[in-house]
Amino acid sequence: AQTVTQSQPEMSVQEAETVTLSCTYDTSESDYYLFWYKQPPSRQMILVIRQEAYKQQNATENRFSVNFQKAAKSFSLKISDSQLGDAAMYFCACFYSGGSNYKLTFGKGTLLTVNP
Amino acid sequence: DTEVTQTPKHLVMGMTNKKSLKCEQHMGHRAMYWYKQKAKKPPELMFVYSYEKLSINESVPSRFSPECPNSSLLNLHLHALQPEDSALYLCASSQLYTDSQETQYFGPGTRLLVL
Repeated sequence: AQTVTQSQPEMSVQEAETVTLSCTYDTSESDYYLFWYKQPPSRQMILVIRQEAYKQQNATENRFSVNFQKAAKSFSLKISDSQLGDAAMYFCACFYSGGSNYKLTFGKGTLLTVNP
Repeated sequence: DTEVTQTPKHLVMGMTNKKSLKCEQHMGHRAMYWYKQKAKKPPELMFVYSYEKLSINESVPSRFSPECPNSSLLNLHLHALQPEDSALYLCASSQLYTDSQETQYFGPGTRLLVL
């Protein structure tokens, strides 16, 4: 079974500053994928960034980047130059692609507030 | 295009009503999912269809009945719901490759209120 832990229920950042959201996971599988999803108050779950476990290079997507530490099972999200539109609930998730298990395991989420 | 559409956006129903939620994707994805999400909680998986066949049923009560008419459509039929079933219902889809990334794309959700 996979577990995903987000230890920060809430975070806040000043506009234009940088913030890092933490995520740790536990899986016994060797082939898996990690994701960060953003869910603004408008409610749609939006993919922010994804990382394949077999890739050592950290994924980046514009102002969003991850710090993937496979041995430590850590997958943090860094948001640079924070914008008001980044305010949302952020969910870290893990997916194992083996067999017929299509289950995406979510953390409990981190609510990010961006202060002007 | 990574669009998943859901209708209706909002739904209010009584405990004796029968209603349906609809989900559609045109990305050629072969897996579709229903999730239930309570406020400030992560989504909880309800059902998974892969290649139009139900592959996962997470012990969901029988008052929820999924249907996959074709590879682009996914319905969730609701009957005799309880007030505790009030939630945001999210649909998602993903492409199924054997040796590639697996990413789920979500629709905007249907906000359901059971009175």
